[in-house]
Amino acid sequence: GAVVSQHPSWVICKSGTSVKIECRSLDFQATTMFWYRQFPKQSLMLMATSNEGSKATYEQGVEKDKFLINHASLTLSTLTVTSAHPEDSSFYICSASELADYNEQFFGPGTRLTVL
Amino acid sequence: GQNIDQPTEMTATEGAIVQINCTYQTSGFNGLFWYQQHAGEAPTFLSYNVLDGLEEKGRFSSFLSRSKGYSYLLLKELQMKDSASYLCAALDSNYQLIWGAGTKLIIKP
Repeated sequence: GAVVSQHPSWVICKSGTSVKIECRSLDFQATTMFWYRQFPKQSLMLMATSNEGSKATYEQGVEKDKFLINHASLTLSTLTVTSAHPEDSSFYICSASELADYNEQFFGPGTRLTVL
Repeated sequence: GQNIDQPTEMTATEGAIVQINCTYQTSGFNGLFWYQQHAGEAPTFLSYNVLDGLEEKGRFSSFLSRSKGYSYLLLKELQMKDSASYLCAALDSNYQLIWGAGTKLIIKP
């Protein structure tokens, strides 16, 4: 149980285009979903936390207008990287939590974004 | 501020035992997680401790001392597949996970 999927697994795009990444909890309802970014050989960097039906809470330094997060249902959250640039190339990982008071996070497989 | 400290890198020999330490300072505390992350993959859950003491799960054990703000992950009978990064994360009073930078474990034959 507790499976989280992410789509696409990898994407290559041209600079200036927008990319949408989907995160789905397949067998549970996710109270909260998290979006992380991870650069090579570095740890996870939390970008934002989102609860279903409400606006995402962004971490300091993360541009909310550039990284649009939509959490329309208890099983789906999307991250859109708008006007992507080469410095946005990274490994984007989502995770989901089922219970609010026990924050074990189930991670998706990640999306590797390369912006040319 | 909130902070998690763990060693950047450790090296151990196949078949041996290794202990990865983690110290934390958080606003409130609701437990500590350990995750394993292989290169290029997402993290996977290893353990959760909220009470003091040792939790054993097969070859992996995790220990917590709340009074000392300290935890360790103990890996026994090391196998080559255990080469990975091990992430320590503490749950604060708002149930937000505060992540450590991870410890890269290198296993040598």
